[in-house]
Amino acid sequence: DQQVKQNSPSLSVQEGRISILNCDYTNSMFDYFLWYKKYPAEGPTFLISISSIKDKNEDGRFTVFLNKSAKHLSLHIVPSQPGDSAVYFCAATYSGAGSYQLTFGKGTKLSVIP
Amino acid sequence: KAGVTQTPRYLIKTRGQQVTLSCSPISGHRSVSWYQQTPGQGLQFLFEYFSETQRNKGNFPGRFSGRQFSNSRSEMNVSTLELGDSALYLCASSSGTEDGYTFGSGTRLTVV
Repeated sequence: DQQVKQNSPSLSVQEGRISILNCDYTNSMFDYFLWYKKYPAEGPTFLISISSIKDKNEDGRFTVFLNKSAKHLSLHIVPSQPGDSAVYFCAATYSGAGSYQLTFGKGTKLSVIP
Repeated sequence: KAGVTQTPRYLIKTRGQQVTLSCSPISGHRSVSWYQQTPGQGLQFLFEYFSETQRNKGNFPGRFSGRQFSNSRSEMNVSTLELGDSALYLCASSSGTEDGYTFGSGTRLTVV
């Protein structure tokens, strides 16, 4: 049972345009969501997070939107740059987990075309 | 400050053997978690240790085990290796908030 789903394995975007990466979850207990970026041969790097008490969080070119009723979140990258080309993972956790356990989606490979 | 260090970076083992992977967390981080990354399954949680105690365990067979030492360093052991255990094993340490979850570069295990 996949509790966090990233239904698009890959996405190609022109440099300067907006990249939108989507993520859906099924576990209604999740109350904290994170996005990680991963380059080949490196570990994931934390990008941005959002608590379920918010519907938007912004950090520079990165904005995460959360729609709790739809159990959907998205990551917007504006403007997209070639260095953004990587695999992006959506992850979720809940404060009652009692430990730092993240449930990850399978990732979306973003290619930003110069 | 130094990041999360995982050793070795690459490992090739034969089916049936056992393997031990090591993780040194960021100084001051007491929580260490392990994840397995495979192309088909993405990142899957193995277990988490805090102050030498396993706090949580994912849905993996008993062949996968771990431990944490008093200096917060952690080891992960896989016994009776199977071809399907070939994966990137990632360790992450935490400062106490979800945002403080920092990953190492991983150990690439290949079972032949």
